[in-house]
This record gives sequence, C-alpha cells and structure tokens, in this order.
Amino acid sequence: DGGITQSPKYLFRKEGQNVTLSCEQNLNHDAMYWYRQDPGQGLRLIYYSQIVNDFQKGDIAEGYSVSREKKESFPLTVTSAQKNPTAFYLCASSQGPYSNQPQHFGDGTRLSIL
Amino acid sequence: DQQVKQNSPSLSVQEGRISILNCDYTNSMFDYFLWYKKYPAEGPTFLISISSIKDKNEDGRFTVFLNKSAKHLSLHIVPSQPGDSAVYFCAARALQGAQKLVFGQGTRLTINP
Repeated sequence: DGGITQSPKYLFRKEGQNVTLSCEQNLNHDAMYWYRQDPGQGLRLIYYSQIVNDFQKGDIAEGYSVSREKKESFPLTVTSAQKNPTAFYLCASSQGPYSNQPQHFGDGTRLSIL
Repeated sequence: DQQVKQNSPSLSVQEGRISILNCDYTNSMFDYFLWYKKYPAEGPTFLISISSIKDKNEDGRFTVFLNKSAKHLSLHIVPSQPGDSAVYFCAARALQGAQKLVFGQGTRLTINP
C-alpha cells in the first residue's frame, strides 16, 4: 500500500538533546512537508522540500533542521535550541509544489520532554 | 495574524441532519482550498477541495462552497453519520505558494445518535 510512514509514534527528549523524527513515503511524491500541531491549534509549517537536495523554511523553522537526500525520505531534527518542543509532529507529501493535488499526511509523532 | 479562521471550536449535530462547518480567510491571494478530517492521534485525511475558479464542489455526502467576495468557505455534510465525528480543518494555498498550506484552528464535530 502506498503511503507515508512516520516513526516513532511516541518520542521522549531529554533536556539538551537532539532528536530525529523519521518520515518515509512511497507515493513517488516530489514535495514533502513538516508541520507541528499544538493543542487546540491548527497545523503550522516547519519546513518543506519541493525536490531532492532542496528545502525551505516554513513559518516556525527556528530550532529545527531537515535534510532531503532521497526523494522518499525527509527526516526532521528537533534540536536543543527548540525550547518548547512538546507537540504532535506531522509529515506530509504531495505530487508537486504547484499542482492542485492535496497533501497526504502520515499518522504523526508525539514528542514529549522528560 | 490568523489568515484562515474557523470561529466555531465545536459543533454538535443530530445523526441524519446536515452539518455545516465554516471557514473565513483574509488573504485574497489564496487560490485553492481544502478540507481535512482528523481523528485523535492520527494524521489528517483529505476530504475535498475547491479551486478559486469554482464556487461549489461535490463528492458524495460532502459539498464545499466558496464565496470569494465574502472570503468564506463552508463544508456541508449530508446526511451526517456517527463516523463523521472528528476534528475538521480547512486549509488554503496562496498563488505561487508552492503548496504552502495555511490551516485554520479546526472545528470538533460531534454527531449525536
């Protein structure tokens, strides 16, 4: 089945630690995205990538980093510089950045601070 | 600045009746609008979309209406079913926006038997 796989489902971070969230898609989509959801709020864009080896900051990129070395993979690192990392993180992909095709989402990773 | 707003945090509807979820936006450059449905601890699922060149799009029980002059979007679900109970997000994309979506805060829909 084609889809987007996020792992792990739950993740705990210690103070001062970097953690990496995995996102893999087998939909052959060019574009991939990372969002953050806080309770009672909508999704906010962290980073996005329109093509391999290219990525752009979203609205709340501070304290996060990404890479896009393969079309299928778009890992997100939550660095120690992110002071409020507790949230639900969602990865998405779409056929192309300018097509009228919807983004499809994975099932998310919930990150908590120990 | 909240460019996409869903002013009703929650909505309760009787099973079999119509559910109407509303969304307002401020950016006149938005050209593509989407509705997503989300269950707890899962990712959003795409429901239906509409381009700004249309004012209505239907897919089964779901219809999206777009009023560009009022900058208002609505999702109608008819008839409402218990499985429709979820949080619904509207989202919008700006022209040349590289599929950068701006999401509303969501509306929790509860369908009562």
